[in-house]
Parts: sequence; C-alpha cells; structure tokens
Amino acid sequence: AQRVTQPEKLLSVFKGAPVELKCNYSYSGSPELFWYVQYSRQRLQLLLRHISRESIKGFTADLNKGETSFHLKKPFAQEEDSAMYYCALEAPGNQFYFGTGTSLTVIP
Amino acid sequence: DAGVIQSPRHEVTEMGQEVTLRCKPISGHNSLFWYRQTMMRGLELLIYFNNNVPIDDSGMPEDRFSAKMPNASFSTLKIQPSEPRDSAVYFCASSFGGTAVQPQHFGDGTRLSIL
Repeated sequence: AQRVTQPEKLLSVFKGAPVELKCNYSYSGSPELFWYVQYSRQRLQLLLRHISRESIKGFTADLNKGETSFHLKKPFAQEEDSAMYYCALEAPGNQFYFGTGTSLTVIP
Repeated sequence: DAGVIQSPRHEVTEMGQEVTLRCKPISGHNSLFWYRQTMMRGLELLIYFNNNVPIDDSGMPEDRFSAKMPNASFSTLKIQPSEPRDSAVYFCASSFGGTAVQPQHFGDGTRLSIL
C-alpha cells in the first residue's frame, strides 16, 4: 500500500509566487515526516522534518493529522528552489517510505 | 510495475558475518542508487551506478563495503566483515537518466541489525 503520496509529478511557479508541494500519507499511528530535496547535480539531502518544527531556506511544513498531510510551503519562491522534492515517512520500527517526488521549477 | 524490489526486508546477524543486500531496479531505469539511513546521519548516498557502471562511490564508508551491478536488473551491496555500527536501513533507488534531477523511485529498504 502506498504510504506516501505526492500527487504532483511536476510543478511550475513564477519567481516570487507562493509554492506548495503536496504530500499525503497513510498511517494510523504517529509517524515522523520528512522532506528531502535534490538540486541539480547534487545529492539528495534532508530539507526538514516535522518534529523539528523549523524553517529551512524559507520552507515550512506542518503536519496535519486530521488530513494526514505534510505539505511543504514557501511564501515566495526563488529560482534556486528549483529541484526535486521527496516527502518521506518514518513509522515506528525504523520503517521508511518515500513518495515518488515532485519536480519544482521556478520560472524567472 | 512492482517498483524497486529490495531483499531481504530485515536482516539480523552477528558482527563479523558477511551481509549481502539485493536490489532489483524498475525495468528500463538505467541509474541505481544505494543509500543508508541512520538516526545520526540521516540519508547518505553510498554509491550510484549509471548503465551498470559505478559513477560515484565516494559515499562508501570503507573497504568493508562493496557494491556490484552485474546487469541492468540486479545490484548487490555487500558488507564484509559486518560491524554493529553498520546497523541502519539501506535503501535502493532507481531512475531513468543519468542526471540528478530525474525522479528516483525508492525500494522499501532493508533494515539491517548487526549484533
């Protein structure tokens, strides 16, 4: 069963516009949620995790247990935000599940 | 498509033993990646192959680790001898294309515990 769903394979926004990358998960317990990012010609890297409740590079993500969502948001997109973004879930027992990724393009 | 298939899902073994993790990428994908996930370091890229050739193995921790891709549909990651600090979840991912921005499809991972 698909644990993590990223409904958008491709997403394009204009520079300065708000951006939201959607992530929905399927898990009945209390998972940990992450966002990973992969910039062009770089390795996949952790962007943020919900437990830290932090803002990295202007991005935030709030865990909504009612909607089982962990959408990634940024109020003003920058060109350097263009990358591939993966949502991931960690269930108890160190079980990890990745979404299929969303390719974000920020248009100058 | 069944997606990226990894085996075994779980492996528990004693230190000093040889461990072999297996990965079958998605048919048609020509890039394959091995990652290690730990609480301390997060997700680390160990090695990646393009068209069965290792392109970047700089993430391989030490000589005890080796990876092979004898054909387009199979890869192994071997640890010999294993140590307790190797305990982690190991992911295999595949993609089409040699550039980093192509979406990677992840397997379910192998949870490795070295006692």
